[in-house]
Amino acid sequence: QVHLVQSGAEVKKPGASVKVSCQASGYIFTGYYLHWVRQAPGQGLEWMGWINPKSGGTNYAQKFQGRVSMTRDTSITTAYLELSGLRSDDTAVYYCTRGASEGRYWGQGTLVTVSS
Amino acid sequence: SYVLTQPPSVSVAPGQTARITCEGDNIGTKSVHWYQQKPGQAPVLVVSDDSDRPSGIPERFSGSYSGNPATLTISRVEAGDEADYYCQVWESYSDFWVFGGGTKLTVL
Repeated sequence: QVHLVQSGAEVKKPGASVKVSCQASGYIFTGYYLHWVRQAPGQGLEWMGWINPKSGGTNYAQKFQGRVSMTRDTSITTAYLELSGLRSDDTAVYYCTRGASEGRYWGQGTLVTVSS
Repeated sequence: SYVLTQPPSVSVAPGQTARITCEGDNIGTKSVHWYQQKPGQAPVLVVSDDSDRPSGIPERFSGSYSGNPATLTISRVEAGDEADYYCQVWESYSDFWVFGGGTKLTVL
């Protein structure tokens, strides 16, 4: 069955960068886009962008342009989200999810806390 | 940018029917997906492409087809259905996903 396993919680200082991983198993990694979605405490879901694991192509939400990078390593079926210039309002749970037009499978989430 | 609007909260008694709406420009021309999220858990897809139920989702969950607004209907509501519900569409022009703001379902 499909599994998406994310890396553990992170605590970062303002201005730093964070890199979250999402290891996929149970399906052909290059066959499906991976999206990243975040959720600030007590807030709703916010789409950040996607990566095409086959080509490495990406598409980022305008809000994160210039600060976000999504990459992948097909040899270990893992996708990465890197967010730079962290601010306190980047404190959130970050999820990876597999899908084209919808998120059918989700990782467990990674809490990123930005605090001085 | 495309905006989806949901009511912040819906309340319903056990055994009754809950309806959660999702409004957006020309939403009837888009495929709408619905997620359930319980506290501390990742979202779960409960309805895809307007009205399809993924494997394992009870028949009590249904979506409107090409409706405006789009509607998630939960029949014979149970205490375990209490959660936040989000609608989502794929905006083909920009190849973006868009989420609604979420609706908190309270079972009285």
